[in-house]
Amino acid sequence: DAGVTQSPTHLIKTRGQQVTLRCSPISGHKSVSWYQQVLGQGPQFIFQYYEKEERGRGNFPDRFSARQFPNYSSELNVNALLLGDSALYLCASSWGQGAGSPLHFGNGTRLTVT
Amino acid sequence: QQQVKQSPQSLIVQKGGISIINCAYENTAFDYFPWYQQFPGKGPALLIAIRPDVSEKKEGRFTISFNKSAKQFSLHIMDSQPGDSATYFCAASTTGTASKLTFGTGTRLQVTL
Repeated sequence: DAGVTQSPTHLIKTRGQQVTLRCSPISGHKSVSWYQQVLGQGPQFIFQYYEKEERGRGNFPDRFSARQFPNYSSELNVNALLLGDSALYLCASSWGQGAGSPLHFGNGTRLTVT
Repeated sequence: QQQVKQSPQSLIVQKGGISIINCAYENTAFDYFPWYQQFPGKGPALLIAIRPDVSEKKEGRFTISFNKSAKQFSLHIMDSQPGDSATYFCAASTTGTASKLTFGTGTRLQVTL
């Protein structure tokens, strides 16, 4: 079975630009979550979407936005990029929201802002 | 505000030894505690998880010990192998919002021959 797929795998952008990251969940999973992992740190929660509705948002500025499509895939958008946005962006999917449906992570998109 | 503190930052263990990683949390609303393993270039993968109604959970060579009164939990890797060399993250959340995990800062484990 295919796992969580993310695209692109690597991306280089300039300060002030906008970026869109994409995620396809495991088949049958209805929840998608986004995390930011800065080098040497643990992942930080950005968003969770379940059944196409936002169900949680972490402590990130409004420059970060996301959406989930009818096929449960998701996009993360970041506007007005800053150098500090350079990180590994992880997408995770689960069939539900509770502890009985653990998160399955993709391999991430490595974003470098210059 | 760091709500999950993890130690040590790095750990070197000989093959066959026991690796122990510790975590402490502050938010008493947390009631779901998973551990994740991450290899370079890969996303985190769930190893084992525990809820506070039990003090210990074992799956193969991996054991979680949980101390609710001290708000601490730990991962023990028995008979550590070179293939266990990876970064390990503890995490916490409430069971109703298990997708919103608060992660520790990670422990880089190296198992030597």
